[in-house]
Amino acid sequence: AQKVTQAQTEISVVEKEDVTLDCVYETRDTTYYLFWYKQPPSGELVFLIRRNSFDEQNEISGRYSWNFQKSTSSFNFTITASQVVDSAVYFCALKGNSGYSTLTFGKGTMLLVSP
Amino acid sequence: DAGVTQSPTHLIKTRGQHVTLRCSPISGHKSVSWYQQVLGQGPQFIFQYYEKEERGRGNFPDRFSARQFPNYSSELNVNALLLGDSALYLCASSLYGGGKPQHFGDGTRLSIL
Repeated sequence: AQKVTQAQTEISVVEKEDVTLDCVYETRDTTYYLFWYKQPPSGELVFLIRRNSFDEQNEISGRYSWNFQKSTSSFNFTITASQVVDSAVYFCALKGNSGYSTLTFGKGTMLLVSP
Repeated sequence: DAGVTQSPTHLIKTRGQHVTLRCSPISGHKSVSWYQQVLGQGPQFIFQYYEKEERGRGNFPDRFSARQFPNYSSELNVNALLLGDSALYLCASSLYGGGKPQHFGDGTRLSIL
């Protein structure tokens, strides 16, 4: 069975602070994919980033960066210089390699960025 | 390009009624999945369809059913509605393949009175 744990329920920061969202996962698959999604108050889940289990290179995309560590089964997501528009619920999700496999989501972390 | 579209946006029903939710995937996407998201939780997988066949089913009762049409749009049906069915129902579409990201619609917010 797959499991995703987001221990942080809610994080509050002031604009321009950096913030890291934690994600720990469990899976028996040797090949899998990890995702981060953003859900603003409007409700739509917006795809942000994807990482393959066989590629541990960490990347930066604009203000977003992620730290994937297979040894600790963690996939943390960092927003640099946070903005008010970043306020949303962020979900970490896990998907196996089969085309039929589906997303397993964590419970989400609510990020509140105040001016 | 149009994203995933869902209808209706909001729906209010009473216990015991049945409901049909609709989803149109992104053009070219043949895989459609349905998720239920209750307040304060992450989405929970209900169904996945690919090429009009059910490919996966989550831990939901038989009151929940779905189908996919030749144009790859999909319907989710829920019978004998319970108060606990109140939730945001999300549809997602993707290209087929393990790592392909799923793209979500705005959802249908279902309230049961």
